[in-house]
Amino acid sequence: DVKVTQSSRYLVKRTGEKVFLECVQDMDHENMFWYRQDPGLGLRLIYFSYDVKMKEKGDIPEGYSVSREKKERFSLILESASTNQTSMYLCASKHPPGHRTDTQYFGPGTRLTVL
Amino acid sequence: AQRVTQPEKLLSVFKGAPVELKCNYSYSGSPELFWYVQYSRQRLQLLLRHISRESIKGFTADLNKGETSFHLKKPFAQEEDSAMYYCALAPYNTDKLIFGTGTRLQVFP
Repeated sequence: DVKVTQSSRYLVKRTGEKVFLECVQDMDHENMFWYRQDPGLGLRLIYFSYDVKMKEKGDIPEGYSVSREKKERFSLILESASTNQTSMYLCASKHPPGHRTDTQYFGPGTRLTVL
Repeated sequence: AQRVTQPEKLLSVFKGAPVELKCNYSYSGSPELFWYVQYSRQRLQLLLRHISRESIKGFTADLNKGETSFHLKKPFAQEEDSAMYYCALAPYNTDKLIFGTGTRLQVFP
């Protein structure tokens, strides 16, 4: 079974703090993604990565950055957390298009509250 | 613009009733369409994708290119179907998923 794990289930931070959200997958997936999930807005893509040290902006990258130093790990960084970044953050991973198993698998989510 | 629309935030039915969760999309090319489901306190998971033409847990969805729709249907709802359902679109040959805003299905006994 594919396993996508996220470092924290719940996180509470203060405005202005630097926040790291970690995601690890064990299926040797090339592609990894970070989304935020908000009621009434669905899932919105923040950043994604096709390979180690590669990253591309999604639909809402402002206020976020990412790091992918190893294939299995994809980190989301909030340089200076703000209250409007309070949300559920979901990580996902998959093989590239055309692979026989290119389904996107999701982690359990990290609920971040910024006070 | 590429967009997925799920017009209903909440759909409530009684057990045994038919269910249809609506999904419309806006995309000029040939998209790949998906339905994802999130049960209470569980992670988001793939329910079905249009190219598979499968029936999963009694659910089916047919891509209607003329109406740009991909509605999810089940003839007889069960209580365990209660969950949040997201329709998603992947533009041709890309990894990006564009999600709708989701529909919460409540099935009452």
